[in-house]
Amino acid sequence: GAGVSQSPSNKVTEKGKDVELRCDPISGHTALYWYRQSLGQGLEFLIYFQGNSAPDKSGLPSDRFSAERTGGSVSTLTIQRTQQEDSAVYLCASSQDRGRIAKNIQYFGAGTRLSVL
Amino acid sequence: GESVGLHLPTLSVQEGDNSIINCAYSNSASDYFIWYKQESGKGPQFIIDIRSNMDKRQGQRVTVLLNKTVKHLSLQIAATQPGDSAVYFCAEAGYSTLTFGKGTMLLVSP
Repeated sequence: GAGVSQSPSNKVTEKGKDVELRCDPISGHTALYWYRQSLGQGLEFLIYFQGNSAPDKSGLPSDRFSAERTGGSVSTLTIQRTQQEDSAVYLCASSQDRGRIAKNIQYFGAGTRLSVL
Repeated sequence: GESVGLHLPTLSVQEGDNSIINCAYSNSASDYFIWYKQESGKGPQFIIDIRSNMDKRQGQRVTVLLNKTVKHLSLQIAATQPGDSAVYFCAEAGYSTLTFGKGTMLLVSP
């Protein structure tokens, strides 16, 4: 596609419910990243995919958070038993894979704004 | 862990002025830095990058300066326009991902 697409753009859920957030990366981009951005804060790294595998999931804050990627394309971030502190904007980015992965420009989607009531 | 931070949380300028946004980094081994711009309701957008073997890099109306001696990075925006109003983040490249600073909000008055 033309850019990174995320859905839904907004999600309101009740505490304790599970949510799934979706990311469609730019076509041909092998690397995919998830970040979390709390109000007025910078971006907090969650997980990184290279193809369908996740070499670095060190940023996932708890075992309630998981992510998968299928077909080297679409990725889903799942938050189980949501808590109010999970409220944030969840951003997805993708990049090509040339050399050291972090030196490839990451292109971001508009994010999913998650509100846990 | 290592961190990337910004000196000024908010910068207010008049249209036409030059803007300078600063960033300090703590990992002296860092060798790649990126500036992103984030407008309200949108994801961060790449502006310009610089590698540690350079001191300066110029783009369209933007210049990034890197001072490795004091571990300082700055973004200069020439002839700032209302459309430049946004939050600006510097980011430092680790092995597999980026570490972002908290951001500086740039407000441009007409």
